[in-house]
Amino acid sequence: DADVTQTPRNRITKTGKRIMLECSQTKGHDRMYWYRQDPGLGLRLIYYSFDVKDINKGEISDGYSVSRQAQAKFSLSLESAIPNQTALYFCATSDLGTGGTDTQYFGPGTRLTVL
Amino acid sequence: GDSVTQMEGPVTLSEEAFLTINCTYTATGYPSLFWYVQYPGEGLQLLLKATKADDKGSNKGFEATYRKETTSFHLEKGSVQVSDSAVYFCALSGQAAGNKLTFGGGTRVLVKP
Repeated sequence: DADVTQTPRNRITKTGKRIMLECSQTKGHDRMYWYRQDPGLGLRLIYYSFDVKDINKGEISDGYSVSRQAQAKFSLSLESAIPNQTALYFCATSDLGTGGTDTQYFGPGTRLTVL
Repeated sequence: GDSVTQMEGPVTLSEEAFLTINCTYTATGYPSLFWYVQYPGEGLQLLLKATKADDKGSNKGFEATYRKETTSFHLEKGSVQVSDSAVYFCALSGQAAGNKLTFGGGTRVLVKP
């Protein structure tokens, strides 16, 4: 089984709808992240959480919210989806390694289309 | 703030050709540097990393050396295979940024038989 899973893998929705993307991990990591990927822009950080009680905004958090329900679960919500939120969304986890090196492990991604 | 610049693709090569993907960065302090690879339809996987100047990361025939004097971390492979076709991302983890990753835009590589 995959260490980091995302559901759904694909979603098509309409403008104005509320959408939740879910991420679960079995790696036992404290840190979890949500990114979006757009062609030519790489991955951009939306939100991150260093433990269950910690939530932080990334560089593009407007229009998104998150919930860290447990160490293993981190959900991303679009309260009112708009077409420019059409993208590939990735969840990632990490555990601060020796020397402070933070290697992240990614889920398979959710392709979201907002019509 | 931190930033990563990598060469735009696509890069199209024949099998057994030499591959280089350039990556330069801007960061305060002493970041860790990474190359991630994304195969079609999949998430990103760590390919290699280096945590201090002059370190060389290597994996699956790929290599990259952390060059602080030129702020670069170029990815190289001496003989590519069709299975190396993927998108490659350079990234840094900056101490000043709480170890969050900053990614380059990605370089698509297509290897033809």
